Amino acid sequence: RKEVEQDPGPFNVPEGATVAFNCTYSNSASQSFFWYRQDCRKEPKLLMSVYSSGNEDGRFTAQLNRASQYISLLIRDSKLSDSATYLCVVNRGYGQNFVFGPGTRLSVLP
Amino acid sequence: DTAVSQTPKYLVTQMGNDKSIKCEQNLGHDTMYWYKQDSKKFLKIMFSYNNKELIINETVPNRFSPKSPDKAHLNLHINSLELGDSAVYFCASSSRQVISSGANVLTFGAGSRLTVL
Repeated sequence: RKEVEQDPGPFNVPEGATVAFNCTYSNSASQSFFWYRQDCRKEPKLLMSVYSSGNEDGRFTAQLNRASQYISLLIRDSKLSDSATYLCVVNRGYGQNFVFGPGTRLSVLP
Repeated sequence: DTAVSQTPKYLVTQMGNDKSIKCEQNLGHDTMYWYKQDSKKFLKIMFSYNNKELIINETVPNRFSPKSPDKAHLNLHINSLELGDSAVYFCASSSRQVISSGANVLTFGAGSRLTVL
């Protein structure tokens, strides 16, 4: 079992749709959590950090449930430009070890 | 100014050769990493250095040897290249200091695509 698991995808949604991605992690000592976005043939880039109280950045909302070891990302009003692979990332907290999930690919269709 | 820069961007070479990839960051970060992304797109950490000291060394063949001459540079040398080494290698950096938003983040270079023939 991978340390960080995500919905396998791909998700194909129409423009304007709301889409939710789920992520679970197995290491209860994990200390910080992130969503990264990776476009085709590009490097991963930080989309948003995830805080215990939940946080929002425009159309993007991230939630963290430490008890269930579960992280989510909600994208509202999807745009064509949201098409990418979304990576759930967990920092184990020692030695700055960032562990990546396998990613979920999103295609937003016109 | 590119925050994390790595060279070369593309590398095509024959099996058995030795090659190096270089990485530099100008973010003032104290920790640098090498990640490998294989054909299935899974990103896996290989090495991590903090202030020139090796702190993470995942199960990687000893044909791979990282070197950090200073905290702004982390190079990766690969000996006796094999077909299975073909992948995209990403350099990244982060800081142990917590920034004002409450979490440190990982910043990546653009990647070096290695093809072994």
